[in-house]
Amino acid sequence: EAQVTQNPRYLITVTGKKLTVTCSQNMNHEYMSWYRQDPGLGLRQIYYSMNVEVTDKGDVPEGYKVSRKEKRNFPLILESPSPNQTSLYFCASSLTQVTYEQYFGPGTRLTVT
Amino acid sequence: GQQLNQSPQSMFIQEGEDVSMNCTSSSIFNTWLWYKQEPGEGPVLLIALYKAGELTSNGRLTAQFGITRKDSFLNISASIPSDVGIYFCAGPVSPDKLIFGTGTRLQVFP
Repeated sequence: EAQVTQNPRYLITVTGKKLTVTCSQNMNHEYMSWYRQDPGLGLRQIYYSMNVEVTDKGDVPEGYKVSRKEKRNFPLILESPSPNQTSLYFCASSLTQVTYEQYFGPGTRLTVT
Repeated sequence: GQQLNQSPQSMFIQEGEDVSMNCTSSSIFNTWLWYKQEPGEGPVLLIALYKAGELTSNGRLTAQFGITRKDSFLNISASIPSDVGIYFCAGPVSPDKLIFGTGTRLQVFP
């Protein structure tokens, strides 16, 4: 089944404790992206990647890192999480960067205390 | 930055009613996308529009690409309880970047 998977689905952590949220897609998509969703603000892009070893900042990249060493995986790294990073996070992928039809993962709900 | 404004923010309707929502932008778009997010899930693409004036249906859903290219509309006919969710419009601001509207939350009562 074609899908985008994220792990974990739920995470509660403390300020400053490094964490990684994994994202994997099995559709051989070139483009992958991370979004955060907050009430009243919709979906805002954190980082995106147009292909292996190519990443770029979205609208809200501060406090986040990403890497794209393999085509299928695009992990989101929070080196020192803070409470304002409490949010619902989505990974998405599309065939190429000009194929705007993005497929989303199920989401990761992160709480930072 | 560019924004997509969705209206209304929320809707509470009775099963069987038709629903209309819209999305507007201050800039021209050459593509409009409509997504639905159900509780506890990620957004799912419903309809993609690529041409001004285009009208596209997906079951009971119909979306239109506005003639001005600054707006798009989504209609749901004869709503049912499983239509509940948040509906997002989206459009590309560059070849590698989509922006999303803030969503219209739909509640359907039996």
